[in-house]
Amino acid sequence: TQLLEQSPQFLSIQEGENLTVYCNSSSVFSSLQWYRQEPGEGPVLLVTVVTGGEVKKLKRLTFQFGDARKDSSLHITAAQPGDTGLYLCAGGSNTGKLIFGQGTTLQVKP
Amino acid sequence: DAGVIQSPRHEVTEMGQEVTLRCKPISGHDYLFWYRQTMMRGLELLIYFNNNVPIDDSGMPEDRFSAKMPNASFSTLKIQPSEPRDSAVYFCASTADWANTEAFFGQGTRLTVV
Repeated sequence: TQLLEQSPQFLSIQEGENLTVYCNSSSVFSSLQWYRQEPGEGPVLLVTVVTGGEVKKLKRLTFQFGDARKDSSLHITAAQPGDTGLYLCAGGSNTGKLIFGQGTTLQVKP
Repeated sequence: DAGVIQSPRHEVTEMGQEVTLRCKPISGHDYLFWYRQTMMRGLELLIYFNNNVPIDDSGMPEDRFSAKMPNASFSTLKIQPSEPRDSAVYFCASTADWANTEAFFGQGTRLTVV
């Protein structure tokens, strides 16, 4: 059974701080995605990484895929209150299956 | 395209009643997923379809749950009989193909079983 474990589950920080969220598995994935979910809405894709060791940047967000394609991290620099939300990692396989981690709830206080 | 459309948005039902959730995926997408989200368990994959065929239903909790996809533009998730522990937000999502795995989600159905 494929599982994705995210840590931490909850994070409360002050505006301007940096943070890293981790997504780990014992399984290899063909792609790893990060989503953000707002209350009352479905998750929305932030980024997809497909190559081991790949790093992608989206403004203040940096995403990395592990060399073995089993883990990933999301780093946010100088967090802002607008970054508050639920962040989910998701692993894709070549069968089309897409599974999600439990999520990290981030609260950025002004 | 209007995106993935789910109905109803909210459903309150009594224990033992049948509940049917509906989903219209994005036109042209080959894959359709049903997920259940709770605080305790996060976003769990229940079942997914490829070209209307169920591929993996190992996440379906028990025989009370069933899902169908009679055509490329419609899917249902049925719970019969419903129980209070089924209370959750149920999401439907679709992806274009196995290589292009960006999942587009509906707004979800919040189910409360009392």
